[in-house]
Amino acid sequence: NAGVMQNPRHLVRRRGQEARLRCSPMKGHSHVYWYRQLPEEGLKFMVYLQKENIIDESGMPKERFSAEFPKEGPSILRIQQVVRGDSAAYFCASSPGTGREWNTEAFFGQGTRLTVV
Amino acid sequence: AQSVTQLDSQVPVFEEAPVELRCNYSSSVSVYLFWYVQYPNQGLQLLLKYLSGSTLVKGINGFEAEFNKSQTSFHLRIPSVHISDTAEYFCAVSLNTGFQKLVFGTGTRLLVSP
Repeated sequence: NAGVMQNPRHLVRRRGQEARLRCSPMKGHSHVYWYRQLPEEGLKFMVYLQKENIIDESGMPKERFSAEFPKEGPSILRIQQVVRGDSAAYFCASSPGTGREWNTEAFFGQGTRLTVV
Repeated sequence: AQSVTQLDSQVPVFEEAPVELRCNYSSSVSVYLFWYVQYPNQGLQLLLKYLSGSTLVKGINGFEAEFNKSQTSFHLRIPSVHISDTAEYFCAVSLNTGFQKLVFGTGTRLLVSP
């Protein structure tokens, strides 16, 4: 049973380009979370999605950032017109939608390290 | 709103010594508590969690943490550290309703020397 898969692991973008980060949840998991880790900081919640629905995007910057989790395929975190301040590690986590402790079992991927030059 | 404080940004320790990594939280409502470990260039792995019941929670490899409601703390204890325990340790909380929206501390880097 593969874990949460994120790709690419490393991504370099020039200022003004677009960055697309992908996350495939664990098999059987229908809930996806995105977190951002800035250098020397802890992880900060960005968005929580279920299939085809954004449930909570309270941590998403108001502009340039968007996320989706389509019916088929991975979840995508999209950053348009990247700036140097977007350089960070972006982690995806998934959890099952059912089960006794479904809302306390988040499994993290290895992250995508975005560098904006 | 919830917040988590990890006062020690870095803890150096010798191999086989015991260590305690401190975590304090603030919340006006009940929360779930977690400890995660992050090895270099890796994702986060769950070490242990407190949901309810016994305040002493045991994880793998002898790791344990104790929930203290009056002191709003959830300190992690490792009875005897190994070189391989060198990593970043994050304490986190989430509300005990709804989905798992984690609020993380800034992390404690454990440096184990021979």
